[in-house]
Amino acid sequence: AQSVSQHNHHVILSEAASLELGCNYSYGGTVNLFWYVQYPGQHLQLLLKYFSGDPLVKGIKGFEAEFIKSKFSFNLRKPSVQWSDTAEYFCAVNPSGTYKYIFGTGTRLKVLA
Amino acid sequence: EPEVTQTPSHQVTQMGQEVILRCVPISNHLYFYWYRQILGQKVEFLVSFYNNEISEKSEIFDDQFSVERPDGSNFTLKIRSTKLEDSAMYFCASLSGTRLRVRETQYFGPGTRLLVL
Repeated sequence: AQSVSQHNHHVILSEAASLELGCNYSYGGTVNLFWYVQYPGQHLQLLLKYFSGDPLVKGIKGFEAEFIKSKFSFNLRKPSVQWSDTAEYFCAVNPSGTYKYIFGTGTRLKVLA
Repeated sequence: EPEVTQTPSHQVTQMGQEVILRCVPISNHLYFYWYRQILGQKVEFLVSFYNNEISEKSEIFDDQFSVERPDGSNFTLKIRSTKLEDSAMYFCASLSGTRLRVRETQYFGPGTRLLVL
């Protein structure tokens, strides 16, 4: 069955620390990949997406993600986090040619000021 | 910026009752989705809807559930006879679909928190 794994459920960092959140998926075909963020009390917002081309994609607010096809991974990174990055982060996969989006369990990030 | 809206923001219902959750997608979007998120768990795909019919549904979306676009603006999710385990946050999303089908971004609504007692 298709699935998305986010291994870090809770991450606590100090401001200015670097961030990397893991995302692995299980699907043999071509996929479109997304990272969404959910700030406290708000709805899901798109951070970045990958459809094809350069596997290193840049998103909003200084986030980037790298698609490594051989590892079925799409890890999210930010070199220096801010207190305002405190939120829950979701990785999502859309198998190409389908309407279905599969989400990971989410990673709750807390940044200490 | 246009956004997806959902009503109500919270709903409490008794087990066995029917509930209808409402969504107003972004006006020129063609694809619509419902997801749910049980507290502390992942966001789960329920159903996608295009051209007035279901295009894909998950195993969660059984006969208890139905979707409808009754008037060209609203997109509703009906749960016929609610169970305790239906308690969750339900998110609606829409996608433009005017370019390469699903190679676009979904926009999510703020969610409806459903509590079944």
